[in-house]
Amino acid sequence: QVQLVESGGGVVQPGGSLRLSCAASGFTFSSYGMHWVRQAPGKGLEWVAFIRYDGSNKYYADSVKGRFTISRDNSKNTLYLQMNSLRAEDTAVYYCAKDSGSIAAAGTWGDYWGQGTLVTVSS
Amino acid sequence: AIRMTQSPSSFSASTGDRVTITCRASQGISSYLAWYQQKPGKAPKLLIYAASTLQSGVPSRFSGSGSGTDFTLTISCLQSEDFATYYCQQYYSTPKTFGQGTKVEIK
Repeated sequence: QVQLVESGGGVVQPGGSLRLSCAASGFTFSSYGMHWVRQAPGKGLEWVAFIRYDGSNKYYADSVKGRFTISRDNSKNTLYLQMNSLRAEDTAVYYCAKDSGSIAAAGTWGDYWGQGTLVTVSS
Repeated sequence: AIRMTQSPSSFSASTGDRVTITCRASQGISSYLAWYQQKPGKAPKLLIYAASTLQSGVPSRFSGSGSGTDFTLTISCLQSEDFATYYCQQYYSTPKTFGQGTKVEIK
């Protein structure tokens, strides 16, 4: 069965950095695009970034462009989100989600989601 | 970015009720729409994609319809386990925006 396990969250000061990981199992990781989606406390879902199955294309929300970098290591079945220049408004639970796998270059919907990892940006 | 607007933001209903949630896109998105269910402290769960295709394993009391700018999620006979927050998401273009959510509460 598909399993996605996020890690790397924690408390970080404004301006700091953090790298999130998402360990995937139960499917052929190298064949699917992957998303990061976040949810601020008590708020709705916000799509953050997408990476194609081979890492050839990456897309970002305007709110994180230039500060966050999505990447993957298909040999380790792991997705990453490098977060730099963190702000208080980046405080959220971060979910990784497996893309449906259609041929769409920029991804589609998330059919399986991890349980999330909490990032708190506070001094 | 395409703006997704759900209505209502919340409402109360009883077990057995037929409920409908609406999602409107700020521009046409064909049928590139998904619906998710989220319970407190849990990850979102995919219910429907391509506006009306039920994800495998999702009960048939859930259905979706619409295309272009107007979409609906219908629960034909509300069960206790359906009390949750529901989100629509467009994947017609990037960024893949979500609606603000609709919370379904017990009356």
